[in-house]
Amino acid sequence: KNQVEQSPQSLIILEGKNCTLQCNYTVSPFSNLRWYKQDTGRGPVSLTIMTFSENTKSNGRYTATLDADTKQSSLHITASQLSDSASYICVVSARWYGGSQGNLIFGKGTKLSVKP
Amino acid sequence: NAGVTQTPKFQVLKTGQSMTLQCAQDMNHNSMYWYRQDPGMGLRLIYYSASEGTTDKGEVPNGYNVSRLNKREFSLRLESAAPSQTSVYFCASSEGQISNQPQHFGDGTRLSIL
Repeated sequence: KNQVEQSPQSLIILEGKNCTLQCNYTVSPFSNLRWYKQDTGRGPVSLTIMTFSENTKSNGRYTATLDADTKQSSLHITASQLSDSASYICVVSARWYGGSQGNLIFGKGTKLSVKP
Repeated sequence: NAGVTQTPKFQVLKTGQSMTLQCAQDMNHNSMYWYRQDPGMGLRLIYYSASEGTTDKGEVPNGYNVSRLNKREFSLRLESAAPSQTSVYFCASSEGQISNQPQHFGDGTRLSIL
């Protein structure tokens, strides 16, 4: 069964500190892995998309890594800010043959709180 | 730049009532999607439209219908609302094949069924 597991469920850090969020998946055949940020009361916003051949991808203070062999990804946030408080969702896309709709499997998210 | 706009933002219904959730995108995207988000669960796909004139079922389509009115608009209808349909509903769009493109989400419709 295709699954995406994220850890931790929630995390509290102090402003200015770094943190790393984890994502493990059992999705086959793998197409790509995405990280989304979802602020409270808002829709998810895409941070990165990585394909099989990409090991790392950055978007400002956000750096995502992908190990396709171990089926693990991480999202590292550097020098956290209060505005980083949000849920971070890992999404894995399975390759879909014969149609334009890829099969997206969403994780439950990690809720990050950044305190002053 | 509006992106994906959903209306209404909030709605309370009684069991058995019907309603239509509206979604419009101004990015000239081909594909559009409806998801629901429940506490403790990942987003689940209800229906999607790969292109204008086509719609297909997702993971949890029971109790819902959709209409791709034109390239911009994709509506979700609850014919006879049930308490189990209490959720936050998100509309999303993407330029083309979902496997290669990021999705752009609206800010959701919070729906309560009493």
